[in-house]
Amino acid sequence: GAVVSQHPSWVICKSGTSVKIECRSLDFQATTMFWYRQFPKQSLMLMATSNEGSKATYEQGVEKDKFLINHASLTLSTLTVTSAHPEDSSFYICSARLGRDNSPLHFGNGTRLTVT
Amino acid sequence: EDQVTQSPEALRLQEGESSSLNCSYTVSGLRGLFWYRQDPGKGPEFLFTLYSAGEEKEKERLKATLTKKESFLHITAPKPEDSATYLCAVRVLMDSSYKLIFGSGTRLLVRP
Repeated sequence: GAVVSQHPSWVICKSGTSVKIECRSLDFQATTMFWYRQFPKQSLMLMATSNEGSKATYEQGVEKDKFLINHASLTLSTLTVTSAHPEDSSFYICSARLGRDNSPLHFGNGTRLTVT
Repeated sequence: EDQVTQSPEALRLQEGESSSLNCSYTVSGLRGLFWYRQDPGKGPEFLFTLYSAGEEKEKERLKATLTKKESFLHITAPKPEDSATYLCAVRVLMDSSYKLIFGSGTRLLVRP
């Protein structure tokens, strides 16, 4: 069964508004979660690493003020797309590691964001 | 620069027609290679982890192998339900933390 739950699965919003996406680890604690972005027929691109109780680590080229990440508890990380624009439309996927550093990532089912 | 390349981009097979997907990589210090399956509109589903050259893993009709430069995902007698995008990712140590670098995937379509 799923070990990472992501909500919502899809969202449509107007330009200029903000959207929050939730990622929860089910039945395990995740001190670190990862946020990815995927464009159609393209690979997953790591956006940021979400660390419980501390600031997220953003990849080069990802605007931290636009993509706000909060990891308030050991089972929940949120990604807020602020002042969304049509070019932010994409598939956002979170993931978490169930065990130690060398264990595989488990992914949520993603959130399809469409900005009109 | 660390890089992962998957081929072919797309593959169409008849049910029962075995084939292989390729994942070649150039990384400085491999810390594991992962195969995932992704269905449309869904997140990737973990399939296999390989750590060292010569290692093999099997699950139903799928078998993953690893060499020093590439990995293959062999699909034996595929069924239509095997249709999906198969993603390969390598784990590397970058900026003092481990990160996954994904290939762009192979879109597999198995026709009945």
